[in-house]
Amino acid sequence: DTAVSQTPKYLVTQMGNDKSIKCEQNLGHDTMYWYKQDSKKFLKIMFSYNNKELIINETVPNRFSPKSPDKAHLNLHINSLELGDSAVYFCASSQVGGRGPNTEAFFGQGTRLTVV
Amino acid sequence: AQRVTQPEKLLSVFKGAPVELKCNYSYSGSPELFWYVQYSRQRLQLLLRHISRESIKGFTADLNKGETSFHLKKPFAQEEDSAMYYCALSGAAGNKLTFGGGTRVLVKP
Repeated sequence: DTAVSQTPKYLVTQMGNDKSIKCEQNLGHDTMYWYKQDSKKFLKIMFSYNNKELIINETVPNRFSPKSPDKAHLNLHINSLELGDSAVYFCASSQVGGRGPNTEAFFGQGTRLTVV
Repeated sequence: AQRVTQPEKLLSVFKGAPVELKCNYSYSGSPELFWYVQYSRQRLQLLLRHISRESIKGFTADLNKGETSFHLKKPFAQEEDSAMYYCALSGAAGNKLTFGGGTRVLVKP
């Protein structure tokens, strides 16, 4: 069973469109993340949710809106797509709360977004 | 602020040669350091973390707090080690992982 799954794997769309990427984790983790990997392979955190609450919101255009309907899901909606949004977007999850040490982050396979 | 620096973008070595990937960090508290690996067209996966103090796939990394470094080493590189390697730091803020820029390792036969 896939621990962190994202859909779609590939997304090609025109400038100005609105699109969503979905993420689900079945690890029972309390924290989920969205990362962006640019063309130079640099990874940067965008958002983090803990128990459905937004706890990290890096400097990201407000065209990007995360939504967490429950602990196991964190979706990313992007409005008015721009050429510069082309990248690979990774979802991840980890366990932050609880008695044990924080777990490492488990990543999804990534969504390659191409804006044309 | 958390910051992770990987000075080498590309490391090219021959099979059987040693390989060392450099990682330096800045963080005011006690960090947790990780190395993640991304093989071609695959997801990022954890390679090792400093608190485990274990060797994975022949790789080791030692946290040096004096030099604020967490370099990754392997004495004899194999072709299957060719991948992107990311050093990452986790501080207190919700387990936020800050990544270095990544180092591409190419092991030639």
